[in-house]
Amino acid sequence: GAVVSQHPSWVICKSGTSVKIECRSLDFQATTMFWYRQFPKQSLMLMATSNEGSKATYEQGVEKDKFLINHASLTLSTLTVTSAHPEDSSFYICSARERGGEKLFFGSGTQLSVL
Amino acid sequence: SQQGEEDPQALSIQEGENATMNCSYKTSINNLQWYRQNSGRGLVHLILIRSNEREKHSGRLRVTLDTSKKSSSLLITASRAADTASYFCATRRANQAGTALIFGKGTTLSVSS
Repeated sequence: GAVVSQHPSWVICKSGTSVKIECRSLDFQATTMFWYRQFPKQSLMLMATSNEGSKATYEQGVEKDKFLINHASLTLSTLTVTSAHPEDSSFYICSARERGGEKLFFGSGTQLSVL
Repeated sequence: SQQGEEDPQALSIQEGENATMNCSYKTSINNLQWYRQNSGRGLVHLILIRSNEREKHSGRLRVTLDTSKKSSSLLITASRAADTASYFCATRRANQAGTALIFGKGTTLSVSS
């Protein structure tokens, strides 16, 4: 099946710094990528939808200036958490879908801990 | 906002037993999907059932869909310890191609040997 690579798997950073998370589709072209956030023992909350070459569409309540999403190619999307604070600590998961596809292929997630 | 609600929230069974998880959703759908998540990992697609289907099988998995009740169930037969994971249903609003999947709250399944 299709493979989505996400890294880093975990990152610890100081408050006020920025962290970039990469999501790559390894063997297919991901016309659309999605970023989710998950708190312990909870479901996935959609943060934003990103289409290659265009601006991301953010869900209500998600700060676009804080969570910068770039989808510069059909195989790469990045999420940058800017000026991270402890409340941004969470598990971030990216997913990708091929053009016309119904299934989502997920990265393995990134555990962000902000001290 | 959450589209689906699973129940139970947690389920503990012995190996060999069957596990049934239910999902309810709110809006019209084109299809409903079930995913599995091992602790601290990404999700893996298990099965997709379309709105014009009532039942679908894949190996030890059996999924049903009742669009009149806006509900679905996932049955895992002859469970194994390796089935221990969280299971989520997910839907996309009908006629909105390209939109993201919205996930339910999930059922955490523990299978003990």
